[in-house]
Formats: sequence, C-alpha cells, structure tokens
Amino acid sequence: GNSVTQMEGPVTLSEEAFLTINCTYTATGYPSLFWYVQYPGEGLQLLLKATKADDKGSNKGFEATYRKETTSFHLEKGSVQVSDSAVYFCALSRGNTGNQFYFGTGTSLTVIP
Amino acid sequence: DAGVIQSPRHEVTEMGQEVTLRCKPISGHNSLFWYRQTMMRGLELLIYFNNNVPIDDSGMPEDRFSAKMPNASFSTLKIQPSEPRDSAVYFCASSFFGGEKLFFGSGTQLSVL
Repeated sequence: GNSVTQMEGPVTLSEEAFLTINCTYTATGYPSLFWYVQYPGEGLQLLLKATKADDKGSNKGFEATYRKETTSFHLEKGSVQVSDSAVYFCALSRGNTGNQFYFGTGTSLTVIP
Repeated sequence: DAGVIQSPRHEVTEMGQEVTLRCKPISGHNSLFWYRQTMMRGLELLIYFNNNVPIDDSGMPEDRFSAKMPNASFSTLKIQPSEPRDSAVYFCASSFFGGEKLFFGSGTQLSVL
C-alpha cells in the first residue's frame, strides 16, 4: 500500500539552528512527494514538492530531495526563524489513483528566540 | 480568489445533536476532499469527490457520518448523532482533478460535549 512515515515531534530549536525532519514513504510505482505546512489556526498549505527521483523541491529556504533508493524525502533548512514555527506534513500522491493524497502524522516545530 | 471557504469556524454541540459542516471549494476545482485532524490520529481522509461524485468514502468512520456534494460549489459533511469522540478539526480541500496541489480551508473546530 501507500503510506508516509515522518519523525515524531515535537521539535524545539533555537533561532538560526539547522532543521531536519525525516520522512520516508512506501508506494508502488513513482509517486510525487510533498511537504505541507500548517501555521497555527490555519489549514495546510503546500511548501514544496518533487515529482521524480533526484528532484529537489525548495521554497522559503526549505529544501527536500526525492531519494528513490532510500524512499525518503527529508525536509531541511539551514537557519530556522521564529516564524517557521508550525506543523509540517510529508505527503505523497499517486497520479494513477487520481487525487489520492497520503499524509504523514505531522511534526510540530517550535523555534525559540 | 477567496480560497476554500468553510463554515462554521467553531462549533460546540451536545452529544446526540446533528452537526452540519459546510464547504465551498475554489471555483473551477473539480475534486473535493474532507479530512479530519486529531492529535491521536493525525490527518485522516474521510471522503473525496470528483465532479461532485463520491469516489472513495472508505475513511468515513461509521454510518453516523455522511457527505454530499449537490453541485460544484458546495459540499456538506453531516454527523448525526454526534458523539464526544467526533471532536476534531475538520478540513475541506479542493484541487483540479489529477492536480498535485491541494488547497485547504481554515477548518472547522468541532467540540461535542
């Protein structure tokens, strides 16, 4: 089946620290991979995506590389800010199942000044 | 565009009462999703529609839950009768069919006392 596993939270970092949130997936075929972010009191919004192996998605200083050999899509940022405090969701989509998205359980990040 | 609009933002009700959650997707989108978010289970897909037709409702917890999409611009999720364990944030999301970006509403915070 299709599923996403991401690291348990919560994660607390000091401002300007390096961030890694691990994500691994299980899927048949060639899924597209995503990171969504949820700020307090809001719905999820797309942060970045990668549609094929070795693609790197990036946005707002965040990056993630689609690694088929390790079935991973880890989220990284070199220097986090207080405004990055949010819940981060890893997700995959299988194109041949229409719009079926599979989300991880989310990782809460708090950045302290 | 106003984005995906959900109402109400907050709903507090007593056990046994009927609850109706509403969603207006982004104009032109032809796929609509209902998700439920809890601390214990994360983000769960309840049901999704393509072109107003329910495609997969396997995530609907039980017969107390029902969802309709009478036209392309409106959907409802109904819980009757409601129970305390239904307390959660319910999100509606929309996209183009086969699209790789979900647009989420701000959610409905449901509390069943």
